[in-house]
Parts: sequence; C-alpha cells; structure tokens
Amino acid sequence: NAGVTQTPKFRVLKTGQSMTLLCAQDMNHEYMYWYRQDPGMGLRLIHYSVGEGTTAKGEVPDGYNVSRLKKQNFLLGLESAAPSQTSVYFCASSYSPVAKNIQYFGAGTRLSVL
Amino acid sequence: KNQVEQSPQSLIILEGKNCTLQCNYTVSPFSNLRWYKQDTGRGPVSLTIMTFSENTKSNGRYTATLDADTKQSSLHITASQLSDSASYICVVSAGDAGGTSYGKLTFGQGTILTVHP
Repeated sequence: NAGVTQTPKFRVLKTGQSMTLLCAQDMNHEYMYWYRQDPGMGLRLIHYSVGEGTTAKGEVPDGYNVSRLKKQNFLLGLESAAPSQTSVYFCASSYSPVAKNIQYFGAGTRLSVL
Repeated sequence: KNQVEQSPQSLIILEGKNCTLQCNYTVSPFSNLRWYKQDTGRGPVSLTIMTFSENTKSNGRYTATLDADTKQSSLHITASQLSDSASYICVVSAGDAGGTSYGKLTFGQGTILTVHP
C-alpha cells in the first residue's frame, strides 16, 4: 500500500546543476501536484496536472518544469538550480479536483542548493 | 488576496491535556476548509474536510469547527498524546469555476504542537 512515493528523499546540488524529482502514485489518481514548503510559510503550488499528458502552472512555477507522460508519474525538473530553490518538495495526488477531495502527499524531498 | 492565518505559531502542552488551535481565513469564494497533520519529516495527512454547511466534524480525538460567517475555524484536540506532536495546517479551498480547474488551495503556515510527558 505505497500511496505516493517520492524519490530521492535527499539531494544536495551545486548552483547551476540540474536534477529531476520523481513522484509515483499507485491509486489511479487523475490529479497530481508539486509543492514546495519553506520555513514559516504555507505550502506553495509549483505545477499541477489534471491528467496524463497535461500540466499547468501554479503559484511559483519559475525555474521548474514538469512532465506527466504516464498517469502514475509526475516529474519535477530543475534545469539550473539556484540557492533560492533550497526547500522541501512535496508531491500530492487526488482522485478528482482537489476542491472536493482529499489530497494524498508523499514524504517529501529535501533539496539543498549550494 | 486569499490568506490563511493560524495561531498560535507554536504550543506546548502536557500529555493528557486538551488544546485548541485557531485558523482565520480570507478566501473567496469559499469551497471547503480542511485540517492536516504533518509529522516531522513527513508529508501532510488529512484530518477533516468541512464544507460551508458543516460547522463541526470529528475524527477520533480531533474535532474541527467552522464559522463561515466570521471565517474562523478551530481544531480541538482532546486528551493529547505524545504522538500528537506535529504541525497542524489549516487549508482553505476556493470555489472551483469548473472545467479542468484544480481548485485553488491556500495553506496556512501551521501551528507546531509539542506534547510533553
């Protein structure tokens, strides 16, 4: 009963490096989301997807790209990492629009950009 | 601008005691309000979801209340346990215009609860 799985759990990058965060869900959910969580702030939406092959921008999309090639996977990419992207990243999924349904979150990825 | 404010920022109580966490919001149009529990190093987990017409909802020792007129919600924890030590996040959903909109969520900054033996 995995739910939402994020890999990796921790990562340290140097400024300018690139990386991809992987989110996988086994609940057959249509909707998937990427958030970042910074100290003293609420979670902020980076990008989201309402189904396979679709993506859309959230509140703070700059510096990130996403892809949803398969229904169960949602990838978050950083093309050129910056120290301002040091954060904890959470992936979430929901069966239908989150306005009406529960979101299920992964355990998070802690990213440090030096 | 949609906002969710929680108080207090942090709270320390003794095991077995009750506590109440507060949430004030300015989100329009309102769809629902939810409380999440986030253990250290883990993702948030949903505790309750309340729509406009619901003013109380319970989940075990957790009871959430909603006053849509004053735009306030509270989360009451009864007979606290050490495992209740966590961050509690209030989240308000704005009305969904329909179509493919995901439904915008506004997250509070959380209240960090510490339960001491």
